[in-house]
Amino acid sequence: QVQLVESGGGVVQSGRSLRLSCAPSGFTFSTYGMHWVRQAAGKGLEWVTGISYDGSNKYYAEFVKGRFTISRDNSKNTLYVQMNSLRAEDTAVYYCAREGTSGYSIDYWGQGTLVTVSS
Amino acid sequence: DIQMTQSPSTLSASLGDRVTITCRASQSISSWLAWYQQKPGKAPYLLIYKASNLESGVPSRFSGSGSGTEFTLTISSLEPDDFATYYCQQYASYPWTFGQGTKVEIK
Repeated sequence: QVQLVESGGGVVQSGRSLRLSCAPSGFTFSTYGMHWVRQAAGKGLEWVTGISYDGSNKYYAEFVKGRFTISRDNSKNTLYVQMNSLRAEDTAVYYCAREGTSGYSIDYWGQGTLVTVSS
Repeated sequence: DIQMTQSPSTLSASLGDRVTITCRASQSISSWLAWYQQKPGKAPYLLIYKASNLESGVPSRFSGSGSGTEFTLTISSLEPDDFATYYCQQYASYPWTFGQGTKVEIK
């Protein structure tokens, strides 16, 4: 079955960097677009960034442009997001998510990893 | 960016009630709309894709309709497992955006 396991979350000081990873299983990773979505405590879902199946296209929410970089290594079956210049408002649970095919948006989600940015 | 507005923000309902949640887009998104259910401490779960297509394994009491800028999620007869928060999401264009959520509570 499809599984997405995030790692790399933790507590980091404002202005510092953190890299999150996502390890997929149960499907052919190299054929699916992937995304990161976040959720601050008690708040709604917020799409952060997405990448095409081959890494050739990348998309970002305005509030992370220039600070976050999404990437993937299909040979290592891993999705990443490099988060630089972190701010307190980046504190959230970050979900790795798979983009389905044939008219789907996100069809599978990981359990999330918590990022806490302390000031 | 396309803004997604859900209503109501909170809904109090009883078991067996028919429940309807509305989602409006700030511009036409054709049928590129998904609905998710989320329970506290859990990841979201896909219910509906492309506005009206029921995801495999989702109970048939859930249905979606609409196109363009107005969409609805309907639960035909509320069951205990349905008390949760529901989100709509557009994927017509980047950046993808979510509605603010509708919490379905027990009356």
